[in-house]
Amino acid sequence: QKEVEQDPGPLSVPEGAIVSLNCTYSNSAFQYFMWYRQYSRKGPELLMYTYSSGNKEDGRFTAQVDKSSKYISLFIRDSQPSDSATYLCAIPSGGYQKVTFGTGTKLQVIP
Amino acid sequence: DSGVTQTPKHLITATGQRVTLRCSPRSGDLSVYWYQQSLDQGLQFLIQYYNGEERAKGNILERFSAQQFPDLHSELNLSSLELGDSALYFCASSFPGQGAETQYFGPGTRLLVL
Repeated sequence: QKEVEQDPGPLSVPEGAIVSLNCTYSNSAFQYFMWYRQYSRKGPELLMYTYSSGNKEDGRFTAQVDKSSKYISLFIRDSQPSDSATYLCAIPSGGYQKVTFGTGTKLQVIP
Repeated sequence: DSGVTQTPKHLITATGQRVTLRCSPRSGDLSVYWYQQSLDQGLQFLIQYYNGEERAKGNILERFSAQQFPDLHSELNLSSLELGDSALYFCASSFPGQGAETQYFGPGTRLLVL
């Protein structure tokens, strides 16, 4: 079983829609969870990171962790064409020295 | 712009050759991480250095090696290159006292092995 699993998509939504991106993980000891955004031909950009369970909000983005089901989500409200990118969930391990990434979900927001 | 720089941006070489990829971390960052991103494997952690010392190792092949120099820049050496080594190679850095949970990525080096 992979440590982190993510639906690769692609996901196509109309502008203004609420987007839900999800990952599952296997190790219940994980405590930090991150979301990265990667535009085509660019490096991943850290969007948000959360610790343990609950929600964290930053503008139009909300990260949610459900440790009981080992499920993490990123919600994007009022999605914009500029949100079109690949979104990767990531979990640090090994004493926070290494990071395991999901395969990424490619999102396209149609104007 | 994350502040992490990588050179070269593109590299085309032949099988069996050796290449060196260079990374300069953000000012003040002591940790450098190397990743490989390919279409079939996604983003894979290779190796991490902290202030010149190796700290963590991931899925790095024996043909690959890295080091971090006293000025904190890092180099990833890839030798006996194979077609399957064609990928994007990213470097990331993080603050002292913080781990990989707050790392910032460079723009990457695109390697094509023919």
